[in-house]
Amino acid sequence: DGGITQSPKYLFRKEGQNVTLSCEQNLNHDAMYWYRQDPGQGLRLIYYSQIVNDFQKGDIAEGYSVSREKKESFPLTVTSAQKNPTAFYLCASSIELSGANVLTFGAGSRLTVL
Amino acid sequence: GQNIDQPTEMTATEGAIVQINCTYQTSGFNGLFWYQQHAGEAPTFLSYNVLDGLEEKGRFSSFLSRSKGYSYLLLKELQMKDSASYLCAIMDSNYQLIWGAGTKLIIKP
Repeated sequence: DGGITQSPKYLFRKEGQNVTLSCEQNLNHDAMYWYRQDPGQGLRLIYYSQIVNDFQKGDIAEGYSVSREKKESFPLTVTSAQKNPTAFYLCASSIELSGANVLTFGAGSRLTVL
Repeated sequence: GQNIDQPTEMTATEGAIVQINCTYQTSGFNGLFWYQQHAGEAPTFLSYNVLDGLEEKGRFSSFLSRSKGYSYLLLKELQMKDSASYLCAIMDSNYQLIWGAGTKLIIKP
């Protein structure tokens, strides 16, 4: 079955460490996204990529970095510059259905900074 | 500014009907989405409205009024598995998604 795989599901980090969250999709979607989800808030866009070797900053890109070397993969690095990294991170890809850009999400990665 | 409002939490009874409202003020409008998210899991797509009116899909229906900046998601014949958060999202004039904080729906037997 096609889908999006995120790993790890749970991750603990010490302050000052960089961590990389993996996102792999086998849906053959061109566009991929990283969102952050915090309690009581809507999803916030970190980075997105419409095509291989190209990506754009979202609303809260500071302290994060991404790469898009392959169509299937869009890893997110949470750097030590991110001041409040504890959150639930969601990766998504999209395809257009009847004029709508519908997102398919991965199961998420929960990062906790100790 | 851009704003999407949904109730934080709602409670309903198994077998009943519940309506989850979403009001919005955004810079432009290119469609409204509803997603379902079970706790700790991925959001999944439920519906898309771009024109005014009601879209029905099985037990779930979604309504849109662009002039009022208003949508609702209607869930009929509620089942325990419908306990989840329901996320409203608007695609603005730049085709970027703006997300509401979600409504946690609790279903009681």
